[in-house]
Amino acid sequence: SQTIHQWPATLVQPVGSPLSLECTVEGTSNPNLYWYRQAAGRGLQLLFYSVGIGQISSEVPQNLSASRPQDRQFILSSKKLLLSDSGFYLCAWSGQGLNEKLFFGSGTQLSVL
Amino acid sequence: GQNIDQPTEMTATEGAIVQINCTYQTSGFNGLFWYQQHAGEAPTFLSYNVLDGLEEKGRFSSFLSRSKGYSYLLLKELQMKDSASYLCAVAYDYKLSFGAGTTVTVRA
Repeated sequence: SQTIHQWPATLVQPVGSPLSLECTVEGTSNPNLYWYRQAAGRGLQLLFYSVGIGQISSEVPQNLSASRPQDRQFILSSKKLLLSDSGFYLCAWSGQGLNEKLFFGSGTQLSVL
Repeated sequence: GQNIDQPTEMTATEGAIVQINCTYQTSGFNGLFWYQQHAGEAPTFLSYNVLDGLEEKGRFSSFLSRSKGYSYLLLKELQMKDSASYLCAVAYDYKLSFGAGTTVTVRA
């Protein structure tokens, strides 16, 4: 069966510090991978998605970047965090079809202080 | 752009029925999903509609009208554990675009 691992679960970082969140998927090959952010009391905002190794699409201009160094690994990074980067970050995977459902990781609650 | 609207909050009594509406205007459409999200947790899949009509799955049913850009999620025989946020999401171009979610509170 497929599983998705995301860590850490919580993170408190000072403004201006770097960020690296990692997500890995097991039990499937060539997944589509996604990073979403959810601000407190808000909906899910798609940040990045990837349909293959080294292929990253950015949905919104921002202070973050993503990389996919391996087929089942997706990394979200920032060189210098802003207060507005606080939120609940969710990694997700899906199959390759146009209407595949998403399976989410357990999320990272990021607080930038 | 993508526009997906759903009510912010709904309250219902245990054992009752609640209907959560979702309207959408999107640049593409490959289906509509409903997810459930408990506070502080990841969303979990509830239902999927790509053709018009009603899909029933136990206590939960979901309806879609593509011509009207409209869907609803019906929760029957409400239980306290159904208190959660319910997210409507439209699939297009290998992505899901989510509404802001409807927080349902079930009262005893």
